[in-house]
Amino acid sequence: EIVLTQSPATLSLSPGERATLSCRASQSVSNYLGWYQQKPGQAPRLLIYDASNRATGIPGRFSGSGSGTDFTLTISSLEPEDFAVYYCQHRRNWPLTFGGGTKVEIK
Amino acid sequence: EVQLLESGGGWEEPGGSLRLSCAASGFIFRNYAMSWVRQAPGKGLEWVSAIRGSGDNTDYADTVKGRFTISRDNSKNTLYLQMNSLRAEDTAVYYCAKTRDGYTWYFDLWGRGTLVTVSS
Repeated sequence: EIVLTQSPATLSLSPGERATLSCRASQSVSNYLGWYQQKPGQAPRLLIYDASNRATGIPGRFSGSGSGTDFTLTISSLEPEDFAVYYCQHRRNWPLTFGGGTKVEIK
Repeated sequence: EVQLLESGGGWEEPGGSLRLSCAASGFIFRNYAMSWVRQAPGKGLEWVSAIRGSGDNTDYADTVKGRFTISRDNSKNTLYLQMNSLRAEDTAVYYCAKTRDGYTWYFDLWGRGTLVTVSS
């Protein structure tokens, strides 16, 4: 099973600041990595697939990068609605796994 | 409207069974692989099971293998999860999720979830 480790667990930032979230895989997942956003009481929303492709309707301030074992989700300038929990997920093989999440909170 | 609507959650004793349903609308259901993903209270996301569009190929997390069965009825646009031998650690919100393009395992449409509580 591929273990995805996200860091930091919590990121305290102000609106307008840049957020950089990390996801590290226990073995190579090539570029088969996605990112989701989840707000309290809501289902997750797909942001990024295959490491760097924005999903339909996702604003340009969200970008993804990386390959192999190290991946980054960047939010270039935080909007109030971006404060949420973010999860990475791989599709390299079975079982699919998610990272433990990074909470982006208002400083 | 494109949506997924789960039902069938509730309270069950350890060792019991529940059957979850997920009604799909607004897209050609048979063309899309689907999954169940769960989230224990206050915890992260855990993939549970997956099924291809035709229904002829399935996968399971080790934590549920042999106890849960995923299936679908494409004539009814409905996904199912039969949950047997329930354990306390199965307590979670269960989401059904649609693959982004029908076959690659990213999920671009999720239901609102149905809560399963396993407790004596």
